Amino acid sequence: DTGVSQDPRHKITKRGQNVTFRCDPISEHNRLYWYRQTLGQGPEFLTYFQNEAQLEKSRLLSDRFSAERPKGSFSTLEIQRTEQGDSAMYLCASSLGQPNSPLHFGNGTRLTVT
Amino acid sequence: SQQGEEDPQALSIQEGENATMNCSYKTSINNLQWYRQNSGRGLVHLILIRSNEREKHSGRLRVTLDTSKKSSSLLITASRAADTASYFCATPDDDMRFGAGTRLTVKP
Repeated sequence: DTGVSQDPRHKITKRGQNVTFRCDPISEHNRLYWYRQTLGQGPEFLTYFQNEAQLEKSRLLSDRFSAERPKGSFSTLEIQRTEQGDSAMYLCASSLGQPNSPLHFGNGTRLTVT
Repeated sequence: SQQGEEDPQALSIQEGENATMNCSYKTSINNLQWYRQNSGRGLVHLILIRSNEREKHSGRLRVTLDTSKKSSSLLITASRAADTASYFCATPDDDMRFGAGTRLTVKP
């Protein structure tokens, strides 16, 4: 299966630690999105990339969050100095980047900050 | 920020019944997309309707679009227990931002 893959599937960390998640999109997809989702809520947009360029970043995203997509392939999302409020599912999605291109989601990384 | 808003927030029906959920948006759109999410999983694309289309069908799914009211509806006919999931709408004209979704429960 060459779908979107996310690693790790689960991450438990202590408050104050840094964590990094990885997303491998579908290979020919040039657009990549990151979302955060808490229980009972919809996916909250964080940021997206067109190839290696980060085109949009949510104002809700604090400076502790940073995302990269070197070479326009895989992407990483880093959270520095984690807080309990960062506990959530972090979802990655990719698409061909055309207006009619659907998003293909990974199954997410569930972060628990203790 | 602008985003699709789904309504109702929750819907509970019996197997075999039809389920209708609605989406409102705020900007002009090129297309609108519906997604389903099963618990603990990523979202799955269901159907896309373009701005020049008024209705579209895919299996037991029927989507309508009313650009004058900036709204769309998703109808699932002859629902099954496996349709239990959350449903979301989004548009690329709003950077694919999602609302809170409609949580559908289909009771066997």
